Amino acid sequence: SQQGEEDPQALSIQEGENATMNCSYKTSINNLQWYRQNSGRGLVHLILIRSNEREKHSGRLRVTLDTSKKSSSLLITASRAADTASYFCATDPPDTGRRALTFGSGTRLQVQP
Amino acid sequence: DARVTQTPRHKVTEMGQEVTMRCQPILGHNTVFWYRQTMMQGLELLAYFRNRAPLDDSGMPKDRFSAEMPDATLATLKIQPSEPRDSAVYFCASGLVLDRWGNEQFFGPGTRLTVL
Repeated sequence: SQQGEEDPQALSIQEGENATMNCSYKTSINNLQWYRQNSGRGLVHLILIRSNEREKHSGRLRVTLDTSKKSSSLLITASRAADTASYFCATDPPDTGRRALTFGSGTRLQVQP
Repeated sequence: DARVTQTPRHKVTEMGQEVTMRCQPILGHNTVFWYRQTMMQGLELLAYFRNRAPLDDSGMPKDRFSAEMPDATLATLKIQPSEPRDSAVYFCASGLVLDRWGNEQFFGPGTRLTVL
């Protein structure tokens, strides 16, 4: 079953605009991660935010985490055509010996040149 | 440039045949995962190994699927007998978990399986 649910399912923007994707989850987490998947490729890790962190930056990426609302957002600033991909949030449960991620259904981002 | 490798990249087979997929995790990583991705179900965890020991295979149909790590450089996922509903992209991922905070997973390019 999927823990994280991304919103929106699909997003189309113009190059240079910002893109915001949201993720909601149901149970407690150890960390939350965002991955990108280009069509026909494997997933690529973008950023990890720990449960005790509220915000994290990496280049043009900004991730926020609100554990009280069980939600996270990924902001891509000044988007480029190369950012076109599917974006997944993945939750890492508290360490019960099962350190496996649970992935959401993804947001398909289309950046128009 | 360390990467997770998977073979084969594509596999077309007929229903009832055995399928074996192989994965070489990144050297030094202590966790290996097998995922299956379909349009309908998204990404599903099939199996998880830590230090080569299977920790979780609850997502795997036990009657036909099996996952092993014969050594630290090889993980295998076998389907016997295969069925059309097994058609999907199968990803292997590896990671290095050192503390309670976990870490990122590195994904292979996937094996696209088609069962006719």
